[in-house]
Amino acid sequence: SAVISQKPSRDICQRGTSLTIQCQVDSQVTMMFWYRQQPGQSLTLIATANQGSEATYESGFVIDKFPISRPNLTFSTLTVSNMSPEDSSIYLCSVEGQGQPRPADTQYFGPGTRLTVL
Amino acid sequence: ELKVEQNPLFLSMQEGKNYTIYCNYSTTSDRLYWYRQDPGKSLESLFVLLSNGAVKQEGRLMASLDTKARLSTLHITAAVHDLSATYFCAVGHMDSNYQLIWGAGTKLIIKP
Repeated sequence: SAVISQKPSRDICQRGTSLTIQCQVDSQVTMMFWYRQQPGQSLTLIATANQGSEATYESGFVIDKFPISRPNLTFSTLTVSNMSPEDSSIYLCSVEGQGQPRPADTQYFGPGTRLTVL
Repeated sequence: ELKVEQNPLFLSMQEGKNYTIYCNYSTTSDRLYWYRQDPGKSLESLFVLLSNGAVKQEGRLMASLDTKARLSTLHITAAVHDLSATYFCAVGHMDSNYQLIWGAGTKLIIKP
């Protein structure tokens, strides 16, 4: 089956520091998405990352806080900058299916990065 | 503004029983998704519903979509413990090919 991996799987960070989360996909995809899921909550889309263009951020999220890179069609990073305890969440990357092995019209998720900020 | 409401938010039930989770949404959409999330895990795609009257079944789970009522249901038949998880519905935003609006999730506990 298709593989979407994330690194790190979890981390505990100090206030004011930054963490970069990596997302690797086993096949080329056009669109990659970054979500945040706060404890016991639903998912909130942070931004959409297309290769070769600037990421598109959703309301309430800004590039200075969550810079994103998308250097090629299988990889993306999300940085959580100048962290505070309110940034403690699970961060998930997802990709849009484009046919086998992942049918289209559906988003598929990586395992998530569990971030705790002290 | 597209809003998605799930209910119930929490459900505890006995094995062998049937139950239904409801997902209402506020404006027109052309696609609806159901996902499962186990504790500490990522989300697993269960169903994609793309048309009015669509019904899909996988094992003890069956999902349906009524676009006129803006309602989807996830029905669980003869529940088993392994179905314990949080179930999310997500609705596609008509102004976007990819943006999903998520329900709050239904935490389902099935007691043996």
